[in-house]
Amino acid sequence: SAVISQKPSRDICQRGTSLTIQCQVDSQVTMMFWYRQQPGQSLTLIATANQGSEATYESGFVIDKFPISRPNLTFSTLTVSNMSPEDSSIYLCSVDETDTQYFGPGTRLTVL
Amino acid sequence: GENVEQHPSTLSVQEGDSAVIKCTYSDSASNYFPWYKQELGKRPQLIIDIRSNVGEKKDQRIAVTLNKTAKHFSLHITETQPEDSAVYFCAASLSGGYNKLIFGAGTRLAVHP
Repeated sequence: SAVISQKPSRDICQRGTSLTIQCQVDSQVTMMFWYRQQPGQSLTLIATANQGSEATYESGFVIDKFPISRPNLTFSTLTVSNMSPEDSSIYLCSVDETDTQYFGPGTRLTVL
Repeated sequence: GENVEQHPSTLSVQEGDSAVIKCTYSDSASNYFPWYKQELGKRPQLIIDIRSNVGEKKDQRIAVTLNKTAKHFSLHITETQPEDSAVYFCAASLSGGYNKLIFGAGTRLAVHP
């Protein structure tokens, strides 16, 4: 399967600041997704990152809070803006390969 | 939209016993059902999946069954081992990996030696 990397692997941030998370894939993929996993919880889809067009956001998530870029078929970024302690979570990207989704290692974010 | 319910939330078994985790989904149009295993501090790993044109799929000690009429699917692990201890998530989607996955709440499985 595709090799997926994320940067940073973890970060501790102050409230009110923003953090950009990068997701890199070693092959071209059509679909990339961003998920949030709050402590001890399941995975919730934030948005689908579409190459060449705006991301498609799920209910409860908005572009102003979670802007996403998808400049090419191997890379995407998710920004968590104006952070609050409630944003402390693991953020994971996933990619579709052969009609199956595989996950990146995740970014553990702590907001103080 | 789709909703996936997963039971039980925790499961404790003795090594060598079988474990069964069940999920139900709400959207009859869903046709792809993967299972992920997540060990502590690691990414979810796909362990098995099933599509709606198949009723059962097996891979060594792991099997998944699907009942489209009842809208439920189950994960069966036989001859459990301590390394099977993890959180297991079921999910449902339309059209496989090209579409968003809706996850169940997860089952924490503990296998005791």
